[in-house]
Amino acid sequence: ETVLTQSPGSLSLSPGERATLSCRASQSVSSNYLAWYQQKPGQAPRLLIYGASSRATGIPDRFSGSGSGTDFTLTISRLEPEDFAVYYCQQYGTSPMYTFGQGTKVEVK
Amino acid sequence: QVQLVESGGGVVQPGRSLRLSCVASGFTFSNYGMHWVRQAPGKGLEWEAVIWYDGSNKYYADSVKGRFTISRDNSKNTLYLQMNSLRAEDTAVYYCARDLGIVANYYQGMDVWGQGTTVTVSS
Repeated sequence: ETVLTQSPGSLSLSPGERATLSCRASQSVSSNYLAWYQQKPGQAPRLLIYGASSRATGIPDRFSGSGSGTDFTLTISRLEPEDFAVYYCQQYGTSPMYTFGQGTKVEVK
Repeated sequence: QVQLVESGGGVVQPGRSLRLSCVASGFTFSNYGMHWVRQAPGKGLEWEAVIWYDGSNKYYADSVKGRFTISRDNSKNTLYLQMNSLRAEDTAVYYCARDLGIVANYYQGMDVWGQGTTVTVSS
């Protein structure tokens, strides 16, 4: 079973700054099968990125995803006030399995 | 609009059962695979189960295999999760989510989520 480890656990940044979130897999993952979600307090998750780098419908272009193999990155180019939230990576694997990382919290500095 | 609404959560004693429901509207429910994902208090997301669009295949996380059963009734646009032998560690908000499947060898993700229903397992 593939384990996804996200780092850092939390990130303190100011609006307008760049956020770089990491997701590392315990074994190689097809980049085609890697997604990212955003979750705000008291809300359901929202799909941001699929296929490691494709933005979901309605997602602003300040969000971008990249990576391959075992290392994947979600980048928020310039943080807006509404971007402070928890972010999860997720992979679709064999069996099938839909594993989530433990999350990275982006908070206001 | 496209919507998922969960219900059926509550407080239940360890060892008892509970059935969750998720009613879909605004889209053709029978065209999509569906998931149950849970979130324990203050914790991250944990995938639990998936069912294919026609109910032909079902898969579970090891943590619930043999205790939970996912099912659907496409005539009622409803997804279910039958939870048996509940444990304290099953306490969580349970979300249903729509799966976009794999298109051109790309996994499309879970694009529509309900608001969640809370299950508390406690004596």
